[in-house]
Amino acid sequence: AQSVTQPDIHITVSEGASLELRCNYSYGATPYLFWYVQSPGQGLQLLLKYFSGDTLVQGIKGFEAEFKRSQSSFNLRKPSVHWSDAAEYFCAVGAGNYGGSQGNLIFGKGTKLSVKP
Amino acid sequence: DAGVTQSPTHLIKTRGQQVTLRCSPKSGHDTVSWYQQALGQGPQFIFQYYEEEERQRGNFPDRFSGHQFPNYSSELNVNALLLGDSALYLCASSFTGTLDEQYFGPGTRLTVT
Repeated sequence: AQSVTQPDIHITVSEGASLELRCNYSYGATPYLFWYVQSPGQGLQLLLKYFSGDTLVQGIKGFEAEFKRSQSSFNLRKPSVHWSDAAEYFCAVGAGNYGGSQGNLIFGKGTKLSVKP
Repeated sequence: DAGVTQSPTHLIKTRGQQVTLRCSPKSGHDTVSWYQQALGQGPQFIFQYYEEEERQRGNFPDRFSGHQFPNYSSELNVNALLLGDSALYLCASSFTGTLDEQYFGPGTRLTVT
């Protein structure tokens, strides 16, 4: 069955430190992969997406992610975290019959990021 | 350009009642998907509407139903509410036939007492 696992429920980093959020997926075909961010009381905002091609993708707000097929992973990274990055981060894989970006998204349970001053 | 809008923002209902949530897609989008996000969980896919028909459905009971109107807006209806239906309901819109991502609205917080 298709699934997404985010092993870390809560991560705390100091402002200015680097960040890596882990994501592992289970999907039979070439996956469409996404990272979304959700601030308290808000909807989801897309940070970046991977469909094909270069396995290192750049997103908004200085985030990047690397697709590693051999490890079934799509980890999110940022070299220097800002206090405004505190939020919940969700990894998702696109599934369904209408194209991975248009089909139903399968989300992980999320990783809450706290930033220490 | 308005993004995805949802109404109402918050809603409190009693167990056994029925509720209707509304969603207006981003301008130019023709596809609407609904997700349920329970507290502390990731969103779960409920169903998707395109050309006024349900074309994909997740693992949700028939108590959850929807509708899409000719202007592409959509409603989510939940009958016979259970305490477990308390959640944030997210609407996402997209344009079928492209690889563009789904855009999410701010959600409707439903509390069932």
